[in-house]
Amino acid sequence: GQNIDQPTEMTATEGAIVQINCTYQTSGFNGLFWYQQHAGEAPTFLSYNVLDGLEEKGRFSSFLSRSKGYSYLLLKELQMKDSASYLCAVRDTSYIPTFGRGTSLIVHP
Amino acid sequence: DSGVTQTPKHLITATGQRVTLRCSPRSGDLSVYWYQQSLDQGLQFLIQYYNGEERAKGNILERFSAQQFPDLHSELNLSSLELGDSALYFCASSDTDRGQGNIQYFGAGTRLSVL
Repeated sequence: GQNIDQPTEMTATEGAIVQINCTYQTSGFNGLFWYQQHAGEAPTFLSYNVLDGLEEKGRFSSFLSRSKGYSYLLLKELQMKDSASYLCAVRDTSYIPTFGRGTSLIVHP
Repeated sequence: DSGVTQTPKHLITATGQRVTLRCSPRSGDLSVYWYQQSLDQGLQFLIQYYNGEERAKGNILERFSAQQFPDLHSELNLSSLELGDSALYFCASSDTDRGQGNIQYFGAGTRLSVL
């Protein structure tokens, strides 16, 4: 099985930077995903990491350390529309990702 | 728009009833995944089909079943419904069932309310 841990809720200010952490335990790591989900809507793919290091995509970046079982999602220049839940998902050799409970991010003016 | 289509968007029914949720994957995608999302459980994997065949099973109840048809659309059947089955049901699709770059794209979901 897998164990994924991420903070339940975070708050940040518009224009700031926020880092959402995800720690995991798994046998047979095979990739880590970040999804954004607005309330009642579909999860939207943000990023994928399978090797250690930082992947940058516009205002969003994702980092992975496989030896530490750790990832973070970095959101820069926060906008009000970034208020959403951010889901960390870890895939093992079954190729089925297991999702964490999600981190609810609240961006305030 | 992810390209994954789910119908209906909302479903209200009574305990003991049976419902069918439908999913059309993105054009060209062969894999379909079903997930259940409730407030206290997060996103839970139910079942995966690849090119018409069942490929992986998660925490799917015996009262639930699914299939993928030759045109690759999939249906999730929920029977003997209970209050606890009330949740958002998502379908996702991907182009393969393996491979490093295998990304799942989600439909807008069906909100099921069992009264």
